[in-house]
Amino acid sequence: NAGVTQTPKFQVLKTGQSMTLQCAQDMNHEYMSWYRQDPGMGLRLIHYSVGAGITDQGEVPNGYNVSRSTTEDFPLRLLSAAPSQTSVYFCAIRYRGDNEQFFGPGTRLTVL
Amino acid sequence: KNEVEQSPQNLTAQEGEFITINCSYSVGISALHWLQQHPGGGIVSLFMLSSGKKKHGRLIATINIQEKHSSLHITASHPRDSAVYICAVAYSGGGADGLTFGKGTHLIIQP
Repeated sequence: NAGVTQTPKFQVLKTGQSMTLQCAQDMNHEYMSWYRQDPGMGLRLIHYSVGAGITDQGEVPNGYNVSRSTTEDFPLRLLSAAPSQTSVYFCAIRYRGDNEQFFGPGTRLTVL
Repeated sequence: KNEVEQSPQNLTAQEGEFITINCSYSVGISALHWLQQHPGGGIVSLFMLSSGKKKHGRLIATINIQEKHSSLHITASHPRDSAVYICAVAYSGGGADGLTFGKGTHLIIQP
């Protein structure tokens, strides 16, 4: 997990609240991704970015927004949290031209 | 939808046993990853391979591109190997990013 940080580590929200999950890296990797991990389903891609100013949707983008204004940061926004968004969220980075991915430590989110 | 299938889903073994976890996928890939996740912990990359075999300590990963199959072996297993092992693939010609993950194999090594 070196070089990839996520904040907060834990968060409890009420339905309808908004929040931003932070992901930051100091490895100057172009590609950044957000995944969610749910029991029995494996990790699923939410959004990804191939560089500053460029983002795209993954497998499960609904209910989430992202932006990439700098190489270092890739925040994930929940505009109106729902119980279905209760999950563990992982940010991952990789260098263009290399398949190796580095994961952040994760954020455990509970929506009541 | 491209699938990644892992087996077994759960595995309990005694310390010292030889462990094999299998992964199969459906279409051509550019790379396959084996990841490890301890309970409540983050995800650590064990191996990334596109052909052949890699070894790191007691861990060995192999891949057969023609059969679309990979295995992760643990020799002389130890209780600290208890974790979830996840197979993930990067599909050839896929999007700029994003792995497709198996559901993981929950391994417990009893002393």
